[in-house]
Amino acid sequence: NAGVTQTPKFRVLKTGQSMTLLCAQDMNHEYMYWYRQDPGMGLRLIHYSVGEGTTAKGEVPDGYNVSRLKKQNFLLGLESAAPSQTSVYFCASGTQSGYYGYTFGSGTRLTVV
Amino acid sequence: AQSVTQLGSHVSVSEGALVLLRCNYSSSVPPYLFWYVQYPNQGLQLLLKYTSAATLVKGINGFEAEFKKSETSFHLTKPSAHMSDAAEYFCAVTPGQGGKLIFGQGTELSVKP
Repeated sequence: NAGVTQTPKFRVLKTGQSMTLLCAQDMNHEYMYWYRQDPGMGLRLIHYSVGEGTTAKGEVPDGYNVSRLKKQNFLLGLESAAPSQTSVYFCASGTQSGYYGYTFGSGTRLTVV
Repeated sequence: AQSVTQLGSHVSVSEGALVLLRCNYSSSVPPYLFWYVQYPNQGLQLLLKYTSAATLVKGINGFEAEFKKSETSFHLTKPSAHMSDAAEYFCAVTPGQGGKLIFGQGTELSVKP
């Protein structure tokens, strides 16, 4: 089925460890986004990309890096995980205009201990 | 810069009663507006969208929303609540071409029997 796939679905990290979250879409969308969801705070934009090879900072970019080497993939990296990064992470993709809305992945639940 | 405010982090209605979830936005350009629903432990599903066509937008599951430019609002309504409507609802805004997709804080809807 076409859509947005996030891997892994769950992960537990120790403080200071690094990891990469992968987002893949097969809808040929230009735009891709990474959000974190925390109770009472909605979805906050971490980083986004408007096309292959481009990235931009969102509302809460500190402690995260991203790369968009291929149009279909958007990677989110945590270089040195902290307990404050315990969250549910969602990836989304959409067309340039946003006219058709945005498609979300099922999320990655990350716990940093 | 655009922003979204959802009034009320928690709304409780009786089954069969009117559902009204409030969303106000700010945007420097004509926006695209969206309502998403999130069921427990799931991703986000698009309910409906406004993209500068009809101001009254109908979505899935009997929901609709009206874009009111003068009030900068995009409130979500459903005439008769069903138990299955219990979920968290998010309003989101984007200026369209080249813009970020920004979410409100979310409103949790509870439906009492």
